[in-house]
Formats: sequence, structure tokens, C-alpha cells
Amino acid sequence: DIQMTQSPSSLSASVGDRVTITCQASQDISNYLNWYQQKPGKAPKLLIYDASNLETGVPSRFSGSGSGTDFTFTISSLQPEDIATYYCQQYDNLPPTFGQGTKVEIK
Amino acid sequence: EVQLVESGGGLIQPGGSLRLSCAASGFTVSSNYMSWVRQAPGKGLEWVSVIYSGGSTYYADSVKGRFTISRDNSKNTLYLQMNSLRAEDTAVYYCARGKLDSLVLLYWGQGTLVTVSS
Repeated sequence: DIQMTQSPSSLSASVGDRVTITCQASQDISNYLNWYQQKPGKAPKLLIYDASNLETGVPSRFSGSGSGTDFTFTISSLQPEDIATYYCQQYDNLPPTFGQGTKVEIK
Repeated sequence: EVQLVESGGGLIQPGGSLRLSCAASGFTVSSNYMSWVRQAPGKGLEWVSVIYSGGSTYYADSVKGRFTISRDNSKNTLYLQMNSLRAEDTAVYYCARGKLDSLVLLYWGQGTLVTVSS
């Protein structure tokens, strides 16, 4: 199975800060990498697919980049409603695998 | 509007069986890749199984041989039959639809909680 290593596991930032999360795959996954947001008690929500494509309706402050094994997810200006846990997910190979998550909090 | 509504969760003893349902509306289950994803309490996301539009099925190693994914086209419903349940199967189970025949999980249900405990 492809292992997805996300970092950091948690972070605290101020409103308006730029927030960056990284995800590293244990092997080349091309751009088959997605990012999800999960708020407490809710289902995950797709934000970014294929490494850098913003899903319809998702605010433009969210972005993604990378290919191969190294990927980055960025919130350009953190908003209070962005408090959530973020997961990367590869789907290059079965089984699809998720990173362990990054919990984002407001400082 | 796409909607996915899971049901069937509950408290079950180790070794028992349970069948989860995911009723879909706004699209046709049989024309899409449909997955089950679970989340143990306080833990991350774990993909469980997928049924492709063509009918092929795949499972995580952790559930292979114990869980069966299926669909009823007449009811537009996805199922997960879970047998030989273990304490480590305790989780919220989500059904999810892929984006354009892929494992980009675009639409999710609200989840149903399965608790395996004596």
C-alpha cells in the first residue's frame, strides 16, 4: 500500500495567516492526490483534486500543488470557518490511502 | 441534487453481522464508482471498499473476506454487508460517490455509527 505522510499533525495560526500542509507519498503517484476538509461531526468535503484543481464552489484561498511524491496544500488567508482537520488522499493505486490528518486551530 | 443517506448502524457483539445501506438520490448508483470509507472514533479516514460502475469490487485488506459491497439498481442503493465483526471495526461508516468514474470522493453521506462491543 502507498503510505501518505502528512505534516504537521496539528497547527495553530492567526486569522489572516498563510497556512501550509505537506503530504508525502511513499512512491510516485503522479498527480493523483486529493485534499479534504472535515469539520467535527461532519463528513469530509472535497477541496482539491488531482493535486491542484479547485473543486467547484470551494473558496479560492485554498490551493494545492505538487506531483510525484511531494505535495502542498495552502490556505492563503486563514478564516475562522477553516477550523477543521485536513486530509490528503492518493488514488493512484488501490487501496486509496489517506494521510493521518492535520488539525488546524485558531491561535 | 445529489444525496446519500446511510442507515443500518448500531451496537453489535463481536462476531456478529450487520448490513449498512446507502440510499442515493439525484444520480444513478450503478453508473458511478461507489465507496465505503470509515473513521474510528478520534481517528483518521480509512477506505474500506469500492464497487465500480462495471461491477468490479475491491476491499481493504483489513476487511477482505468479511465485508461485501453490493448495490440494488432497482432501489438505487449501495450496501455493505459486514460479517465476523471485530472491535476494531467500530467506526462511523460513510458512503461516497466518486467524481467522474474515479476515486476522487466528491459526494459523501452523513455517516452511520457501528459499535462492536460485548
